[in-house]
Amino acid sequence: SQKIEQNSEALNIQEGKTATLTCNYTNYSPAYLQWYRQDPGRGPVFLLLIRENEKEKRKERLKVTFDTTLKQSLFHITASQPADSATYLCARGKDTGRRALTFGSGTRLQVQP
Amino acid sequence: ETGVTQSPTHLIKTRGQQVTLRCSSQSGHNTVSWYQQALGQGPQFIFQYYREEENGRGNFPPRFSGLQFPNYSSELNVNALELDDSALYLCASSLGRTDEKLFFGSGTQLSVL
Repeated sequence: SQKIEQNSEALNIQEGKTATLTCNYTNYSPAYLQWYRQDPGRGPVFLLLIRENEKEKRKERLKVTFDTTLKQSLFHITASQPADSATYLCARGKDTGRRALTFGSGTRLQVQP
Repeated sequence: ETGVTQSPTHLIKTRGQQVTLRCSSQSGHNTVSWYQQALGQGPQFIFQYYREEENGRGNFPPRFSGLQFPNYSSELNVNALELDDSALYLCASSLGRTDEKLFFGSGTQLSVL
């Protein structure tokens, strides 16, 4: 089965630094990967989608990469702020015949002021 | 705010009981997906409804069932509740079966005692 693996350990960084979160997938490359942000007790909020044929995508302070050789996506938040503290979920796109996203377990980011 | 509303926000049931969770999708969205999120895990796909028909199902037993209404709102029903059913239940709406971005509600926190 297709899996998404994210570092389960929390990432603690200082305000102003760049946070880098890792998402690894198994088997064949998905058509796309998505990143969501989730705050405690809330539903995930869509941030970015990157397709298999795209190497990099940016949105404001966010950047995501897709490396099909390493089977990995990196999610960067530049100039991080305490308000960026949340859990970030990576999800692989709807594989052939499936209607659902497959999510990783998420990485908790804590930005210290 | 995504425009997806879920009710109730919290629910406590005992083992063996039945529960119905409700979801109103974002305006204009005709597809609703339900996910189960256990503590510390990523969301897991239960099923999807597109224009009132089930359009895909994850690895959940038949005691998990659903409905979608003509206005595209949806219900998730769980019979014969088990302790392991305790989780955050998330509803997500999207535009069309192939739309890639999901809009999640805040979820219903179900506790089974």
